[in-house]
Amino acid sequence: SQTIHQWPATLVQPVGSPLSLECTVEGTSNPNLYWYRQAAGRGLQLLFYSVGIGQISSEVPQNLSASRPQDRQFILSSKKLLLSDSGFYLCAWSVRGPEKLFFGSGTQLSVL
Amino acid sequence: AQSVTQLGSHVSVSEGALVLLRCNYSSSVPPYLFWYVQYPNQGLQLLLKYTTGATLVKGINGFEAEFKKSETSFHLTKPSAHMSDAAEYFCAVSGGVGGTSYGKLTFGQGTILTVHP
Repeated sequence: SQTIHQWPATLVQPVGSPLSLECTVEGTSNPNLYWYRQAAGRGLQLLFYSVGIGQISSEVPQNLSASRPQDRQFILSSKKLLLSDSGFYLCAWSVRGPEKLFFGSGTQLSVL
Repeated sequence: AQSVTQLGSHVSVSEGALVLLRCNYSSSVPPYLFWYVQYPNQGLQLLLKYTTGATLVKGINGFEAEFKKSETSFHLTKPSAHMSDAAEYFCAVSGGVGGTSYGKLTFGQGTILTVHP
C-alpha cells in the first residue's frame, strides 16, 4: 500500500533562518507531488506541484522554493523565513488517473 | 478559473442532529468536487468525491453530498451527528481530467464543525 511521510511535525524557526521540509512517498512510482499551505484562518493554498524529477511548477510567487531530487521525494525550502511563512504545510500526492489526492500529516511551522 | 465558497466558517449541532455544510463552486469546466475532513494537527482525509455519474455521492462515516449543477452546489450532509464528527471540513474543486489537474485543487476556507452532547 502507498504511504506518505512528512516531517517534522512541528517546527519553530526565527525570522531569517533557512527552512527545509521533506516529504517522501512509498508504494507508488512517478506520482504527482504537491505542497499546500494552510495559513491561520484561511483555506488551503497550492504552492508547488511536480510531475517528475526536477520538474517544479509554482502556483504563487513567494519566499519559498521546492525541489524534487528523487521520484518520490519532494522538498520545500526557504533561504530566509518571513513571519508570513507561518502556517500548516501539507504534502500530497496523486497518480495520473484516479481522481484522488493523498495528504501527509502536515508540518506546523511557526516563524517567530 | 475555479473558486469555492463555504458558507459558514463555524457550524454547531447537537449530537444526533442533522449536519449540513454548504459549498458552492464556480468552474469553467465540468468540475470534480471533493469534501475533505481534517482532525486537529493532522492531514486531510478524503470523505467523498463527485466526478461523473450519480449526483448523490456517499462517503465514509455516513456522510453524503449531492452535486447540483443548476445551483453550482455540493453540500455535505449527515443525518445524525456524532461527537467524533467534530473537525474541520473542506470543500474543493478540481479542473477534471488529465495531468496534474487532480491535485491542483482549489479549496474553500473550511468549516469547523462542533458537536454538542
